Amino acid sequence: AQTVTQSQPEMSVQEAETVTLSCTYDTSESDYYLFWYKQPPSRQMILVIRQEAYKQQNATENRFSVNFQKAAKSFSLKISDSQLGDAAMYFCAYRANFGNEKLTFGTGTRLTIIP
Amino acid sequence: EAGVAQSPRYKIIEKRQSVAFWCNPISGHATLYWYQQILGQGPKLLIQFQNNGVVDDSQLPKDRFSAERLKGVDSTLKIQPAKLEDSAVYLCASSLVGGLITDTQYFGPGTRLTVL
Repeated sequence: AQTVTQSQPEMSVQEAETVTLSCTYDTSESDYYLFWYKQPPSRQMILVIRQEAYKQQNATENRFSVNFQKAAKSFSLKISDSQLGDAAMYFCAYRANFGNEKLTFGTGTRLTIIP
Repeated sequence: EAGVAQSPRYKIIEKRQSVAFWCNPISGHATLYWYQQILGQGPKLLIQFQNNGVVDDSQLPKDRFSAERLKGVDSTLKIQPAKLEDSAVYLCASSLVGGLITDTQYFGPGTRLTVL
């Protein structure tokens, strides 16, 4: 079974600084997708960024980028120029590229932005 | 475009009572998911529908949980009878087609259930 581990329950960063959230996963599959979701206090899960395992190039979305290390099964999220609106729970998730579309989530990292 | 709608937003019940949650997916989305998110954990899939058929309900506690998606549009999730450990946020999500890895899941705001 696939597992996703987020070892940082909480992180904090000064506004405008850069922060990196860690995620590791375990799978025997070679073809899969990885995601970072943001969950603000409103509880609505919002997709931040997605990475295809077969792509060597790391995904980027504006201030958000990932460091995908397939051999190490590591998938970290870097947030540059942190803003107050970035404060939220961040969840790393895995999905196999076959079968159903079930997402397997980690336990989350609570990110606090310090003004 | 309207997002995924869920109701109620909050519900408090006594153990052994029954409760039902409602979800209306984004218009045209064929696939609908119910996730359970216990405090301090990530969401866990309970059941997935493709139109009005069940694709995956392997983690649904079928002795007390049931779900249906009549007419392939909105869905209800029921718990009967509720236990203390059912206290959680219940998230509904939908995706356009299903079966495509590029198909993004869009989440609703969730229903926070407290069982006393």
